[in-house]
Amino acid sequence: AQKITQTQPGMFVQEKEAVTLDCTYDTSDQSYGLFWYKQPSSGEMIFLIYQGSYDEQNATEGRYSLNFQKARKSANLVISASQLGDSAMYFCAMRENAGNNRKLIWGLGTSLAVNP
Amino acid sequence: ETGVTQTPRHLVMGMTNKKSLKCEQHLGHNAMYWYKQSAKKPLELMFVYNFKEQTENNSVPSRFSPECPNSSHLFLHLHTLQPEDSALYLCASSQSGSHSSGANVLTFGAGSRLTVL
Repeated sequence: AQKITQTQPGMFVQEKEAVTLDCTYDTSDQSYGLFWYKQPSSGEMIFLIYQGSYDEQNATEGRYSLNFQKARKSANLVISASQLGDSAMYFCAMRENAGNNRKLIWGLGTSLAVNP
Repeated sequence: ETGVTQTPRHLVMGMTNKKSLKCEQHLGHNAMYWYKQSAKKPLELMFVYNFKEQTENNSVPSRFSPECPNSSHLFLHLHTLQPEDSALYLCASSQSGSHSSGANVLTFGAGSRLTVL
């Protein structure tokens, strides 16, 4: 069963506006971590932000913030003040901390286009 | 150089060829990974090495053969590939291995785009 769901294959946003990229996850573990990565057309996956399941506050990194709603099992990425360089694929991923298999589970990604 | 460097960036090969992908990290990380990225599929973990020892092989066909001579270098040797093996192959490294919990962040290279004819 798919554990990471990104329902938006493609998104558009106007430069300088904020955009929310959706991510829902499925796990029965209490301890897990959630990640967002950005992949520009150059191919390199770039780490953006991390949220631990026990973190009480939403993670923030500069213009990126993670809207973590544990009860709804969602971990949406919010990008404020979009820039042209934000145009890229964005991937949500999860690592369950219990058990021996702690590999990252990835979503299919959302393609974001920032319009000037 | 810093970060994770992959060569070649693009590779076209026939099904009978033998080629290798190279990955090098200058971050002092102890774990290195090979991922396969295909269209409309989640990123697939292929191999993991911790301190030069292979710790994961996710049912990867034997036509893919990894090699990790030291903690900084990782190779993926390719032979008798199939057209469905055409994909972007991403190398990554992290401070700890995949069995670590918490924010064990992966640092990726730019990938090697492989086309099998």
